Order: sequence, then C-alpha cells, then structure tokens
Amino acid sequence: AQTVTQSQPEMSVQEAETVTLSCTYDTSESNYYLFWYKQPPSRQMILVIRQEAYKQQNATENRFSVNFQKAAKSFSLKISDSQLGDTAMYFCAFMNIRSFQKLVFGTGTRLLVSP
Amino acid sequence: EPEVTQTPSHQVTQMGQEVILRCVPISNHLYFYWYRQILGQKVEFLVSFYNNEISEKSEIFDDRFSVERPDGSNFTLKIRSTKLEDSAMYFCASSPTGDTEAFFGQGTRLTVV
Repeated sequence: AQTVTQSQPEMSVQEAETVTLSCTYDTSESNYYLFWYKQPPSRQMILVIRQEAYKQQNATENRFSVNFQKAAKSFSLKISDSQLGDTAMYFCAFMNIRSFQKLVFGTGTRLLVSP
Repeated sequence: EPEVTQTPSHQVTQMGQEVILRCVPISNHLYFYWYRQILGQKVEFLVSFYNNEISEKSEIFDDRFSVERPDGSNFTLKIRSTKLEDSAMYFCASSPTGDTEAFFGQGTRLTVV
C-alpha cells in the first residue's frame, strides 16, 4: 500500500517570501502521479499542481513549483512570493495510475501567510 | 469553468437515520469518487465508480454505504443507519479519465447527532 507523509504540521511565512512544504511517499510502483491540493478555510479542495512520475522536469504553475526527487521519493512544494490568499491547508497526494485514480493523501501542512 | 457541485452544503441527521448526499460531476467526466475528511484529519478515499459500477472501495465503505448514478448526471452517496462517527466532510470528485487529476466539489458537512 502507498503512504504519503507530510512531516510539517504547520508552517509560517511572511508575505512576499518563499516557503517550501515537504512531502515524502512510499510506493513500489513506477508509474504514478503526485499532486498538491490546497484547502482554504472554505474547505474546498483545490488542485495546485501535479507531477507525472515519468517526467524528469519539475512541474511549475505560476508561483508554485515542485522539487520531485523520484529516487528519494520526495515531492516538495515551493511557493514563491507568498500571498495572504495562500493561507490554507496543503495536502500532498499520490495516485497509482493502475488504481482507478484513487488518491492517497498525506496529513496536511497548515500554512499561515502573515503581512 | 465547469465544476463539481454538491448538495446540501450542510446536513444534520439523527443517529440511525439514512442520509443521501448528492453530487453533480462535471458533465464529460467518466470517473467519480467520494472522499471523507473527519475534522482536523486527512482526506480519506471511500469509493470510486466507473461505468455504472464500483471500481474500488475502502474499508470505511461498509455495507451501510452505497453509491448510485441514477440519471446520468447525479452521483449520490447513501449512508444508512448513520453513526456518530460518520460525522465528517464528504467530498465528491470526478475525473475525465482514470489517469488525470480529480476535480473536487465544495463538500457536504455531515453532522450526526
């Protein structure tokens, strides 16, 4: 079974600074996707970024980028130029492509962006 | 932009009663899911549904739970004989294919009293 670990329960950052959220996972699969989802106080789950395991290039989406280290099974999220609206829970998630797209989530990191 | 819609946003029910949570997935999506998040905890997979049948279900999805796509647009989660521990946020999600990201609805908060 796959597991996803987020070792930082809470992080704080000041507006305009950069912050990195950590995620590690465990799997014996070679073909999978990794995701970061954002959950603001409204509690809706919003996709931030995704990474295909077969791609060596790290995914980037505007101010959000990942550092994907397949051998180390590490998938961190970097948020540049943090904004107050980035305050949210961030969940790392794993998807085994052979498993009908079931997502396995980590426990989340609560990010607080302060002025 | 198309989105997954869930109703109601909040449901309160008495223990032992039946509840139905409703979802309208994005129209051209083929894969549908229910997830659960107990307050303060991580999001957990309940069930996936494809081609009008359950593809996979978790241990949480016991025989009190059922899903249905009754009319080609709605996707429902029914919980019979509700328990206090069923209290959680329930998220519906859909995906166009089995190998891309899921799009989540805004969730239904279920409170069992």
